[in-house]
Amino acid sequence: DTEVTQTPKHLVMGMTNKKSLKCEQHMGHRAMYWYKQKAKKPPELMFVYSYEKLSINESVPSRFSPECPNSSLLNLHLHALQPEDSALYLCASSQPLRGITEAFFGQGTRLTVV
Amino acid sequence: GDSVTQMEGPVTLSEEAFLTINCTYTATGYPSLFWYVQYPGEGLQLLLKATKADDKGSNKGFEATYRKETTSFHLEKGSVQVSDSAVYFCALTRGSNYKLTFGKGTLLTVNP
Repeated sequence: DTEVTQTPKHLVMGMTNKKSLKCEQHMGHRAMYWYKQKAKKPPELMFVYSYEKLSINESVPSRFSPECPNSSLLNLHLHALQPEDSALYLCASSQPLRGITEAFFGQGTRLTVV
Repeated sequence: GDSVTQMEGPVTLSEEAFLTINCTYTATGYPSLFWYVQYPGEGLQLLLKATKADDKGSNKGFEATYRKETTSFHLEKGSVQVSDSAVYFCALTRGSNYKLTFGKGTLLTVNP
């Protein structure tokens, strides 16, 4: 089963709200990712967790806070976002074998900040 | 640094036409190469991959061959369908590097 599940599918939040995006995979992958995708652009990497430890933070503003409670789950906590943070947020996972890091993506959460 | 260049389109074809989307890359060493497809309103799906020179990835009638001498990984399909309308991304990764480097994407529209 090559499936990454993201919830919610759509989210509208105000600039003072706190919300969380959730991601789950049951493929036994030990690397999980958050990407941000603006319209008509490729995905941009935000964070990478490897074996439940944060290994890459692409200089993302602190209003985005990732969390990896266990090897199957990945959360992205959102606080005090700006309208320009509106985008499609994609979760992905991979098994970090040497030389092959194909990533499997979820369906995304469409976030609108008002 | 690593980079991927793909034809940006948009590409508009009639059903049953032949499709080519060009992709070239710049990377040191021996990257793995991928094509991802994104249907409207959805996430990215891995379409096909190749991990070494001369490998041919194929899936759902799509094919791409890893050409190290020309640093290319062009996507082809012999006869497109309306259901192939989507954005196609060429991407690469190197070794145990977690980062996928994407091209800018190519919007394909297939008309009946």
